Amino acid sequence: GAVVSQHPSWVICKSGTSVKIECRSLDFQATTMFWYRQFPKQSLMLMATSNEGSKATYEQGVEKDKFLINHASLTLSTLTVTSAHPEDSSFYICSARDSTSGTWAQYFGPGTRLTVT
Amino acid sequence: GESVGLHLPTLSVQEGDNSIINCAYSNSASDYFIWYKQESGKGPQFIIDIRSNMDKRQGQRVTVLLNKTVKHLSLQIAATQPGDSAVYFCAENMTPGGGSNYKLTFGKGTLLTVNP
Repeated sequence: GAVVSQHPSWVICKSGTSVKIECRSLDFQATTMFWYRQFPKQSLMLMATSNEGSKATYEQGVEKDKFLINHASLTLSTLTVTSAHPEDSSFYICSARDSTSGTWAQYFGPGTRLTVT
Repeated sequence: GESVGLHLPTLSVQEGDNSIINCAYSNSASDYFIWYKQESGKGPQFIIDIRSNMDKRQGQRVTVLLNKTVKHLSLQIAATQPGDSAVYFCAENMTPGGGSNYKLTFGKGTLLTVNP
């Protein structure tokens, strides 16, 4: 149980284009999902909290107009990196919390490697 | 949250030995803690969690100890195997303002290498 998937697993795009990453909870409902970014040999940095049916909450320093988040259903959240630049190249990981589990545990997807050329 | 540096703490152990990975957390008001294992190129994998009203919790081959007095968390892995080689992160739950708006803050991580 508690499986989270991400698509795509890796993507290469040209500077100035937009990329959409999907995060799905496969066997549970997630009213809240989270998007993280991780640079090599570093820890996970929370970018935003995605709430089903409402606007995402962004962490300080994260541009909401650049990283668009949509959480349209209890099993799907999407992150769109708009007008991507090489400095956006990173490992993007989503997580989801099982809202019926009674715990605060977050379960992570496998990550998406974004390379902007 | 904690600052993140480029030099990951490392722990190297022999196969079959016990491993202890330590973590100092930042917020005395944190009420829930999780250990994650992350293999190269993959997302973090949940290992074990503990609430702040406990000081010890055991799982399969793993034990988490919590010392709230000194804000310290440890993960003990018994009979460490090569498949345990990974980066291990502790995470603390902060609930800013209370209620359902919570988030996890991750520690720096420790690279565990198991030598056969």
